[in-house]
Amino acid sequence: GNSVTQMEGPVTLSEEAFLTINCTYTATGYPSLFWYVQYPGEGLQLLLKATKADDKGSNKGFEATYRKETTSFHLEKGSVQVSDSAVYFCARRETSGSRLTFGEGTQLTVNP
Amino acid sequence: KAGVTQTPRYLIKTRGQQVTLSCSPISGHRSVSWYQQTPGQGLQFLFEYFSETQRNKGNFPGRFSGRQFSNSRSEMNVSTLELGDSALYLCASSLETGRRDGYTFGSGTRLTVV
Repeated sequence: GNSVTQMEGPVTLSEEAFLTINCTYTATGYPSLFWYVQYPGEGLQLLLKATKADDKGSNKGFEATYRKETTSFHLEKGSVQVSDSAVYFCARRETSGSRLTFGEGTQLTVNP
Repeated sequence: KAGVTQTPRYLIKTRGQQVTLSCSPISGHRSVSWYQQTPGQGLQFLFEYFSETQRNKGNFPGRFSGRQFSNSRSEMNVSTLELGDSALYLCASSLETGRRDGYTFGSGTRLTVV
């Protein structure tokens, strides 16, 4: 079936450290890929997206590249801030439908 | 532009009762989807509505139902509540169905079943 796998958390970093959160997806069809972020007590916010192979999504210093050859969409940020502490979800959207399939989520904590 | 509005934010219900949750999408958005978020199962798709028609349904029992009105507002209903229905219910809207669109989520309704 269609699935998304994220690296297990939690991830704890110091401020200004480099962040990578791995995400891989099953290679069925040509899905769109997304990263969402969830702050405590809130819903999901779209962080970035990519709709085809080799697309790079970017927002607020975060980047992710749609890699069809490795079926990956890893999230990266060069220098994290305390305010980046949240749960990050990788998701795919099917080509023939509209539902989102989410990864398990990765809790990120950034310490000053 | 107002975001996706979900009401109420918090609910406490007793087993066996029913509950109705409401979602107002972003103005102009015609697609509304619902998701259930729990610590054990993560985020799971419930259903999607577009122009008052259910387009997709997830693997949930028939106790979970929904509808969409002509103004695109949507409601979901859960009957005969069980303890396991305790969750954060998230509504998301999109301009239209299509693989390039991202969804905009509301803040959710936190349902606790006791």
